[in-house]
Amino acid sequence: GIQVEQSPPDLILQEGANSTLRCNFSDSVNNLQWFHQNPWGQLINLFYIPSGTKQNGRLSATTVATERYSLLYISSSQTTDSGVYFCAVGKNTGNQFYFGTGTSLTVIP
Amino acid sequence: DADVTQTPRNRITKTGKRIMLECSQTKGHDRMYWYRQDPGLGLRLIYYSFDVKDINKGEISDGYSVSRQAQAKFSLSLESAIPNQTALYFCATRARGAAGELFFGEGSRLTVL
Repeated sequence: GIQVEQSPPDLILQEGANSTLRCNFSDSVNNLQWFHQNPWGQLINLFYIPSGTKQNGRLSATTVATERYSLLYISSSQTTDSGVYFCAVGKNTGNQFYFGTGTSLTVIP
Repeated sequence: DADVTQTPRNRITKTGKRIMLECSQTKGHDRMYWYRQDPGLGLRLIYYSFDVKDINKGEISDGYSVSRQAQAKFSLSLESAIPNQTALYFCATRARGAAGELFFGEGSRLTVL
């Protein structure tokens, strides 16, 4: 399978700070998603971004497929951003999405 | 209403009992998946199905079985639950084709005593 490494594993931020989360993967992929798992355990789709850059409000993501990494940017963090952020990747020829172990983010007021 | 619905949301059971987790979706997607999440870990694939007649094992299928009753329904069964199957279980769907997002249900938290 594809190895997915996320960094940092844990992050504590003051409200209003910015952060960058990284996802490295071991093989070429055609599918890449970022998810936010909220404190209630729900998985929220953030971005579907196999390549390029996307923005949605305070969040943006960039995937450089040729170099096998993706970055998730959170600006002006809020307490509601707390939770675990997962990166998941997959190939066209396979049916499985491979998940990283996540970055646990805590935003303190 | 959620597009991907899982029932039950929480269940406590005893070792040796048979448990069924159900998933239904209104997204019209062909592909459905069952994942398991353990504390501090990412999600791991248990089973997946491309249509009613197509069922495939994932990386951790031992101790589990599934049934695709209709395009919109995919059930996961634990024939004889054991404590190390205590976990958070997610159903997901995806549209046909090479590219496309996974959409998850809200999760089913299972505790086996």
